[in-house]
Amino acid sequence: DQQVKQNSPSLSVQEGRISILNCDYTNSMFDYFLWYKKYPAEGPTFLISISSIKDKNEDGRFTVFLNKSAKHLSLHIVPSQPGDSAVYFCAASEEGGSEKLVFGKGTKLTVNP
Amino acid sequence: NAGVTQTPKFRVLKTGQSMTLLCAQDMNHEYMYWYRQDPGMGLRLIHYSVGEGTTAKGEVPDGYNVSRLKKQNFLLGLESAAPSQTSVYFCASSPVATPNTEAFFGQGTRLTVV
Repeated sequence: DQQVKQNSPSLSVQEGRISILNCDYTNSMFDYFLWYKKYPAEGPTFLISISSIKDKNEDGRFTVFLNKSAKHLSLHIVPSQPGDSAVYFCAASEEGGSEKLVFGKGTKLTVNP
Repeated sequence: NAGVTQTPKFRVLKTGQSMTLLCAQDMNHEYMYWYRQDPGMGLRLIHYSVGEGTTAKGEVPDGYNVSRLKKQNFLLGLESAAPSQTSVYFCASSPVATPNTEAFFGQGTRLTVV
């Protein structure tokens, strides 16, 4: 049973537009959520996170929104740039334990010039 | 600053062979992890360590063993490789397992078992 779901395997947007990546989760005990970005032949790198006590966290062009009642979070990238083209993984943990991180399958974002 | 380094980057094994993947981190992190990533799958935790001399099982530990004899190194062993272990393996480390700490990943090891 998949606890963290990224239902869109891929997303394509034009440079300068907004990219919205979605993630749903089923475990109500999750209290910390992260987004990782992964380029080909590289390891994932941390992008942004949000605690369950918040509903929004912003870092430059990246904003993560959390809707606990819907068990849904989203990552907004504005404006999108070609260098943002990568696979984005949503991850979640309960009780804040890094060893309990559960990852989604990832969404491949392509930003077209 | 090297961060997390994995050795080797690529390897082809025959079924039944054994090998060890080495992970080294220079950030003095307490926690270290081994994940595997398969096509269409997310990252799945194999084993992890919360400090020197400790190890624990993750989500998919079967067929693997680990050791953390030194704080900076975390070894992943395959005693008898199987084709199902063909995957990309990622090592990661983090200072502590708290809500505000992210994990830092290595570049990955692509393993093929034929």
